[in-house]
Amino acid sequence: QQPVQSPQAVILREGEDAVINCSSSKALYSVHWYRQKHGEAPVFLMILLKGGEQKGHEKISASFNEKKQQSSLYLTASQLSYSGTYFCGTEKANFGNEKLTFGTGTRLTIIP
Amino acid sequence: DGGITQSPKYLFRKEGQNVTLSCEQNLNHDAMYWYRQDPGQGLRLIYYSQIVNDFQKGDIAEGYSVSREKKESFPLTVTSAQKNPTAFYLCASSSRTGRTGYTFGSGTRLTVV
Repeated sequence: QQPVQSPQAVILREGEDAVINCSSSKALYSVHWYRQKHGEAPVFLMILLKGGEQKGHEKISASFNEKKQQSSLYLTASQLSYSGTYFCGTEKANFGNEKLTFGTGTRLTIIP
Repeated sequence: DGGITQSPKYLFRKEGQNVTLSCEQNLNHDAMYWYRQDPGQGLRLIYYSQIVNDFQKGDIAEGYSVSREKKESFPLTVTSAQKNPTAFYLCASSSRTGRTGYTFGSGTRLTVV
């Protein structure tokens, strides 16, 4: 069952902030976040493991609430280069390498 | 530089024909995956393999087949049994634990004509 992402699409002006949410009905061990630009391969941004940690990557950070099976991706002071579709990928098991199930994506458009 | 290569980038197939998509990685990754991407549906898992000579079905395996004879290679065959094969296909690889994320290839766009 795919995780649910919200919003489906968002348009921001350069410099504004955005939050993208990922919610699962299953207990999770980890959440991955990826960004895909049109016609290109998805690129790995970060992974969050069970334990509720928050990670950062330049002006992009994320949190993981394992009790709620939710993760949020935060983009602050957005830049034009942040445009693309963001996917969360969720992992259920914690033994070995369990496959990821991806959400349907959030399309982010940054305008000057 | 290490990476994952998919070929061809574009592929056209006539109905009733089988076609094989290539995926090669030189990252020394144990695990490899095939995803299908359709507009508005995100990435859906077709097959995955965590070790040579072993693979498992994903969520939408019907009409597809794979092999994993070498660690570096994980070709996907789209058979004539696949009812709606026109899509963007992405291959990915990862370490056995997946903790450093997936590395994706640049994809193959398959069109049935």
